[in-house]
Amino acid sequence: AAGVIQSPRHLIKEKRETATLKCYPIPRHDTVYWYQQGPGQDPQFLISFYEKMQSDKGSIPDRFSAQQFSDYHSELNMSSLELGDSALYFCASRGPAGNEKLFFGSGTQLSVL
Amino acid sequence: DAKTTQPTSMDCAEGRAANLPCNHSTISGNEYVYWYRQIHSQGPQYIIHGLKNNETNEMASLIITEDRKSSTLILPHATLRDTAVYYCIVSLTSYNFNKFYFGSGTKLNVKP
Repeated sequence: AAGVIQSPRHLIKEKRETATLKCYPIPRHDTVYWYQQGPGQDPQFLISFYEKMQSDKGSIPDRFSAQQFSDYHSELNMSSLELGDSALYFCASRGPAGNEKLFFGSGTQLSVL
Repeated sequence: DAKTTQPTSMDCAEGRAANLPCNHSTISGNEYVYWYRQIHSQGPQYIIHGLKNNETNEMASLIITEDRKSSTLILPHATLRDTAVYYCIVSLTSYNFNKFYFGSGTKLNVKP
């Protein structure tokens, strides 16, 4: 069965650079969630989208932005990268019915040097 | 959103049942209880979820108290591969309401 695809798997950037992470949800899933997980930390919710509209916002820095496109894939754009942005970034998708489970991707490991 | 409280860590002997508790005393009537686990740095993996009734699937059983203020995840025969961080999440998700927040989970150590 198709799963949530995230790219790239690993990304190395310098401070003050920009990064773009991509998430391809499971087919027919219309909701996407983004999470950030620092070393030894629990996943922190960043932002979610339903039908290409932002549906909820968590602790996402102003330097980050995200959107969901017409094909339902989503991109997380991160600018002016800081050392503290080094983390695992997970994307999850959910189907159209209420109270369904979320399916998570394998994550993108971002290292800011 | 309802908050959850879980023990920081638990040990379990291989082959025995692992019972992981979760307190969610502020849960509202239409919020579901979800359990996920995360093995090392992999993406969180769905285990089970429920509203009021006890649930069972091929991975685990979920026991929810009658007042819904707490629940227990049961892994009937724990194996070494069940060593992971287990998260209890209380959430209401609908087509336009998408809050799904992780708290601090339980690190389950399955020992030989």
